[in-house]
Amino acid sequence: DQQVKQNSPSLSVQEGRISILNCDYTNSMFDYFLWYKKYPAEGPTFLISISSIKDKNEDGRFTVFLNKSAKHLSLHIVPSQPGDSAVYFCAASAASNTGKLIFGQGTTLQVKP
Amino acid sequence: EAGVAQSPRYKIIEKRQSVAFWCNPISGHATLYWYQQILGQGPKLLIQFQNNGVVDDSQLPKDRFSAERLKGVDSTLKIQPAKLEDSAVYLCASSPDRAVYNEQFFGPGTRLTVL
Repeated sequence: DQQVKQNSPSLSVQEGRISILNCDYTNSMFDYFLWYKKYPAEGPTFLISISSIKDKNEDGRFTVFLNKSAKHLSLHIVPSQPGDSAVYFCAASAASNTGKLIFGQGTTLQVKP
Repeated sequence: EAGVAQSPRYKIIEKRQSVAFWCNPISGHATLYWYQQILGQGPKLLIQFQNNGVVDDSQLPKDRFSAERLKGVDSTLKIQPAKLEDSAVYLCASSPDRAVYNEQFFGPGTRLTVL
């Protein structure tokens, strides 16, 4: 039962262009969504989050969009830089569920110089 | 501020052997999590502690996995006996408390290979 899905295992973009990573979820009880970034041999690090009461949250080059009716969120990186090359995980949690995070499978982003 | 510490970083064992992983969370963080990340998948929560009490262990295979956080600070995760399918990265994370809006901080993980 995959409650959080990232259907694109990998994405390759040119430096300076936009990267769009997508995530779908099935559980309507989720009310908080996060994106984590992971480099090889390191633990995931928090990137950006969004509450279900919002539809957009921006932090520098990173913007997360939430479409609750479609149960879909996306992470936009503009402009993309080679240092953004990493695995990106989407995660969701529900206030009713102890703050436990449910992760997607991850998308490997490669930004080419 | 020191991050989440984990040891060992790598471990190779044979099936049916035992193994233990250690985690020291960020100082003052009340909530500690152990995740299992199998290659090609996202992290899956195994157990969540609030101080020294268990909040959620619904996905912990209790016939072979155990975890403790006796003094509400560092924690140990044990597998006994190990199976081939236990090969994974075991991640420890901590957060100030279990509120859903708190960021979880992850350690570097322990990569376990079971032969």
